[in-house]
Amino acid sequence: DTGVSQDPRHKITKRGQNVTFRCDPISEHNRLYWYRQTLGQGPEFLTYFQNEAQLEKSRLLSDRFSAERPKGSFSTLEIQRTEQGDSAMYLCASSPARGLKETQYFGPGTRLLVL
Amino acid sequence: AQTVTQSQPEMSVQEAETVTLSCTYDTSESNYYLFWYKQPPSRQMILVIRQEAYKQQNATENRFSVNFQKAAKSFSLKISDSQLGDTAMYFCAFMAAGNMLTFGGGTRLMVKP
Repeated sequence: DTGVSQDPRHKITKRGQNVTFRCDPISEHNRLYWYRQTLGQGPEFLTYFQNEAQLEKSRLLSDRFSAERPKGSFSTLEIQRTEQGDSAMYLCASSPARGLKETQYFGPGTRLLVL
Repeated sequence: AQTVTQSQPEMSVQEAETVTLSCTYDTSESNYYLFWYKQPPSRQMILVIRQEAYKQQNATENRFSVNFQKAAKSFSLKISDSQLGDTAMYFCAFMAAGNMLTFGGGTRLMVKP
């Protein structure tokens, strides 16, 4: 397994711009999660996919945020009209369909800075 | 809603000594899982250890072990023979049927030579 990968690793943008992040889960992991982590805090859940279906969304996920997982493989998280409060680390995790399916494996994250 | 509390924002330990990180949680669920994750500086989060709530036996992974007290809703992590590479943020996390992880605020552990 190559692990969960995320792209880009860092993103600096100006307020009001749109940004899109990509997550590639561990192959054959059918569950994919997005979390947001602000400096010095624990990650907070944003949304969760099982295959291509988005099963859960946090109230933190305002209408400016959208996530997709076409074909149940990679996922994208888009933030429209970014605000300074969106500055954070965006973490992706995946978990397997079998075995220790409750264990989530995290990617390196995408650090977003909104100026 | 579940909550996870880590009451020690920072801790330090001398190399080769033992340290215990505290975690308490609140839930009305009966079936759940508990985790400790480690996040080294500028590196990604990795799983340290997991515990199923229905198992009474405490989980162990090499130098890492937990003290799971279900009635007290307590889940502490003991690190034995601390190594410099153990320096990191440690997060306690809870998962019930919803599959999302609820994390505590973290404990920053510094291992001193």
